[in-house]
Amino acid sequence: AQTVTQSQPEMSVQEAETVTLSCTYDTSESDYYLFWYKQPPSRQMILVIRQEAYKQQNATENRFSVNFQKAAKSFSLKISDSQLGDAAMYFCAYRDNFNKFYFGSGTKLNVKP
Amino acid sequence: KAGVTQTPRYLIKTRGQQVTLSCSPISGHRSVSWYQQTPGQGLQFLFEYFSETQRNKGNFPGRFSGRQFSNSRSEMNVSTLELGDSALYLCASSLVGDYSYNEQFFGPGTRLTVL
Repeated sequence: AQTVTQSQPEMSVQEAETVTLSCTYDTSESDYYLFWYKQPPSRQMILVIRQEAYKQQNATENRFSVNFQKAAKSFSLKISDSQLGDAAMYFCAYRDNFNKFYFGSGTKLNVKP
Repeated sequence: KAGVTQTPRYLIKTRGQQVTLSCSPISGHRSVSWYQQTPGQGLQFLFEYFSETQRNKGNFPGRFSGRQFSNSRSEMNVSTLELGDSALYLCASSLVGDYSYNEQFFGPGTRLTVL
């Protein structure tokens, strides 16, 4: 079965600085999708960014970008110019070809003013 | 367009009881997935329904079951509740159920406490 590992349970970043959250996964598939979701305290989970495995170009959404290393099975999230509103739990997720999602254990991001 | 809704938002039950949670997906979404979220285990996939059929299932005991109705609304049932079933249960819907890119939209969750 696929597994998703987030090795950083908690991280802190200074406002306006850049932070990178790590995610690795294990799979034998060649085609799949990767996602980063954000869960603010007591609020709903929302999609931050997605990456299709067949695309070599790293996805970017405004201040959020990923470093997708397919051979290394690594999918890290970089948040630039961190804002107070970025404080949340961040989950890395893998979706297989049967629409089944696998989530990492999450990284709690603290943003210091 | 309204988001994914889940009812009830909070629930307190005692061991041995049964509980039913409800999820209404975004209008037009036909795939509904359920997850259990706990501090120690993160998000664990329970099952996915598409067009009233269970298409995927996670590694949970048979006490956990679900169904989907013709209007895509879904219910999840847990029988013979155990203390370890205390968790946030999340429902997520997606537009299509085929194997293309398929973003999931999450509901606010139902917080279940088993005493």
